[in-house]
Amino acid sequence: KAGVTQTPRYLIKTRGQQVTLSCSPISGHRSVSWYQQTPGQGLQFLFEYFSETQRNKGNFPGRFSGRQFSNSRSEMNVSTLELGDSALYLCASSFPSGSGPGELFFGEGSRLTVL
Amino acid sequence: AQSVTQLGSHVSVSEGALVLLRCNYSSSVPPYLFWYVQYPNQGLQLLLKYTSAATLVKGINGFEAEFKKSETSFHLTKPSAHMSDAAEYFCAVTHYNQGGKLIFGQGTELSVKP
Repeated sequence: KAGVTQTPRYLIKTRGQQVTLSCSPISGHRSVSWYQQTPGQGLQFLFEYFSETQRNKGNFPGRFSGRQFSNSRSEMNVSTLELGDSALYLCASSFPSGSGPGELFFGEGSRLTVL
Repeated sequence: AQSVTQLGSHVSVSEGALVLLRCNYSSSVPPYLFWYVQYPNQGLQLLLKYTSAATLVKGINGFEAEFKKSETSFHLTKPSAHMSDAAEYFCAVTHYNQGGKLIFGQGTELSVKP
């Protein structure tokens, strides 16, 4: 069974540009969550999508957005990039169960550098 | 609001020694607790999780953790460290209706000396 796939793995952008990151969840998983990981702030929750609907949202500005497609693949977009957006962006998928939060399976991340 | 505190950003042990990584949580509702491990340039892998069943939870690679409500703790232990255990470890908390939203601690980097 293939794991969570994130593309691209590495990318470099300049301030003011925008970026789109892609995440393909494990087959059958309908929930996709996104996290930002930085040395200073650690792992922070961005948002979660389930069945094409945003189910949870973290405390990030509106420049950070996402969406989920009918095949459960998800994309996140960051507009008007700032230096502080440089981070590892992690995607995680899960198969929601009726007995509480399911296990999150993480991809290897997309490392964004903003110059 | 929920939060997690991991005591010690760096822990160093000798190979074969006990591993103890500390995690304290704050939650106003019954928590679900997790330990994840991250190797360099990789994503996170679940080690174990507490979901209100047994308070002593056994995970992969010989790790275990004990949920202590009175101490609001969920410390991770392993009786004998192996070189391959060197990695960063994250404790996380959520509750029943939070889906994929986890609150992570700042992480503890574990070094294992030969």
